Amino acid sequence: RKEVEQDPGPFNVPEGATVAFNCTYSNSASQSFFWYRQDCRKEPKLLMSVYSSGNEDGRFTAQLNRASQYISLLIRDSKLSDSATYLCVVARSAGNNRKLIWGLGTSLAVNP
Amino acid sequence: NAGVTQTPKFRILKIGQSMTLQCAQDMNHNYMYWYRQDPGMGLKLIYYSVGAGITDKGEVPNGYNVSRSTTEDFPLRLELAAPSQTSVYFCASSGSSYNEQFFGPGTRLTVL
Repeated sequence: RKEVEQDPGPFNVPEGATVAFNCTYSNSASQSFFWYRQDCRKEPKLLMSVYSSGNEDGRFTAQLNRASQYISLLIRDSKLSDSATYLCVVARSAGNNRKLIWGLGTSLAVNP
Repeated sequence: NAGVTQTPKFRILKIGQSMTLQCAQDMNHNYMYWYRQDPGMGLKLIYYSVGAGITDKGEVPNGYNVSRSTTEDFPLRLELAAPSQTSVYFCASSGSSYNEQFFGPGTRLTVL
């Protein structure tokens, strides 16, 4: 079993739709959580960190459920420009540093 | 600031050839990373560095070498290229292991 698992999709949604992605992690010692966005043939970029109380950034809402060991990303009022792959990233301690575990990503296509 | 820059953008190598992928950052970040990303696979950490003169292996270091003589530069060396090293290589940097990682645009390498 992978340490971080995501549904690869693709999720095909119309403009204006609300879409949600989940990501599960297996290591209960995981400390920090992030969503990165990767456009086709581009580098990953941080979309948002995920805080214990949940957090919102415009149309994007991230939630963390430590008991069930999953994080979620909700996108409201989808735009064409939201089409991308969304990478779930989980961080935990590794010696004196922190190790990032990357999910394989969930592909989103927003259609006109 | 240019952020993280990588050269070359594309390269085709023959089996057994060697090359160096260049990475530079102008954000004065201590931490730098090399990842590879294969189709349908997540990011795999090859090597990382926590500061000038300090490097350490990641998940998939075999076939690669790195050096970190300055804070700005973190080149990745491929010796005796093999088809299995065909991939997209991303360099990233961060202020610490607890900060966001900033990625370069990637190098697409094909080994034939």
